[in-house]
Amino acid sequence: QKEVEQNSGPLSVPEGAIASLNCTYSDRGSQSFFWYRQYSGKSPELIMSIYSNGDKEDGRFTAQLNKASQYVSLLIRDSQPSDSATYLCAVKVPGKSTFGDGTTLTVKP
Amino acid sequence: SAVISQKPSRDICQRGTSLTIQCQVDSQVTMMFWYRQQPGQSLTLIATANQGSEATYESGFVIDKFPISRPNLTFSTLTVSNMSPEDSSIYLCSALSPNTEAFFGQGTRLTVV
Repeated sequence: QKEVEQNSGPLSVPEGAIASLNCTYSDRGSQSFFWYRQYSGKSPELIMSIYSNGDKEDGRFTAQLNKASQYVSLLIRDSQPSDSATYLCAVKVPGKSTFGDGTTLTVKP
Repeated sequence: SAVISQKPSRDICQRGTSLTIQCQVDSQVTMMFWYRQQPGQSLTLIATANQGSEATYESGFVIDKFPISRPNLTFSTLTVSNMSPEDSSIYLCSALSPNTEAFFGQGTRLTVV
């Protein structure tokens, strides 16, 4: 079992729809959770962080964390073609961040 | 957040030669890491660069092929030695501290011909 697993892609949604990205992790000692966006040919950039159970909203992005289920998700509302990228889930324990394999999202105009 | 300057951004190298990639962080960080990423693929951790001691390598990566230095808390280098076309990839450095998320350099796109 991988330490961090993301829903297999690619994921395609029409412009204006909600994109839902999911991630599960195996280490119950994980303390911090992050979503990165990576455009083709670029390095990953942080878009969301979440540390406690519940929802965290930032503009069109909402991160959801459920530590009991070891589950973290990212919702993108009103998806735009510029959101087309690979989204990486990362889970942090002291001294280490582990990344999922990523989910590629395509938003079609 | 802190910024990592990584260079070179890209290079084309002859097989059998070596390339050293540098990463400079604008503040002290606890951990530095080196990743490899093939186009369209996931991040693969090569090693953790330990300050003042030998790097910790992941399975499948060895010091002779990927020597790493970290002389201080803000700087690290990765050398890709005796290169072959299979080493063509994007190499990324990353840094992490207890109170920060992981952040990345701009990446080095390496092509071996």
